[in-house]
Amino acid sequence: GAVVSQHPSRVICKSGTSVKIECRSLDFQATTMFWYRQFPKQSLMLMATSNEGSKATYEQGVEKDKFLINHASLTLSTLTVTSAHPEDSSFYICSARVAGRKPQHFGDGTRLSIL
Amino acid sequence: GENVEQHPSTLSVQEGDSAVIKCTYSDSASNYFPWYKQELGKRPQLIIDIRSNVGEKKDQRIAVTLNKTAKHFSLHITETQPEDSAVYFCAAATGTASKLTFGTGTRLQVTL
Repeated sequence: GAVVSQHPSRVICKSGTSVKIECRSLDFQATTMFWYRQFPKQSLMLMATSNEGSKATYEQGVEKDKFLINHASLTLSTLTVTSAHPEDSSFYICSARVAGRKPQHFGDGTRLSIL
Repeated sequence: GENVEQHPSTLSVQEGDSAVIKCTYSDSASNYFPWYKQELGKRPQLIIDIRSNVGEKKDQRIAVTLNKTAKHFSLHITETQPEDSAVYFCAAATGTASKLTFGTGTRLQVTL
């Protein structure tokens, strides 16, 4: 149980392109999903907390206009990196939590490479 | 905000030996402490967790201890095997949203 699917797994695109990443909870309803960024050989850094039906809560230093988050249903959250640049290249991972429970379950991540 | 420190950054042990990874946290309100194992290029996998009302938890070869007074918690892996080789992250959760703050990670290598 508690499977989280993330798509796509890999994206390579040109600078200036916008990229959308999907995160789905497959076998449970997730009122809260989280988006992280992980640079090579570094830890996971929380970017934002996504709540179903409301605006996302962004961490300090994360540009909300650049990283658009939508959580329109209890099983789907999307992260759109707008006008991506090479410095946005990273491993983006989502996680989801079953309502009322603590553990976060992670997706497989999306490796984003901006040329 | 919460700050989680993790040591050591790398750890090499021989197969069959024990491995211990230690973390400290700063926010006394943190109440949930998971440990994740991450293999290269893959998702973090929850291996064990502990809540603030418990001092120790064990699951087969893996155990976690928590000292709330000192604000530190540790992961213990006994009888290590080569497949235990990975990067391990500790984390601490605070607030109703249970936001996780991760440690910097420990690269564990189990040698034959």
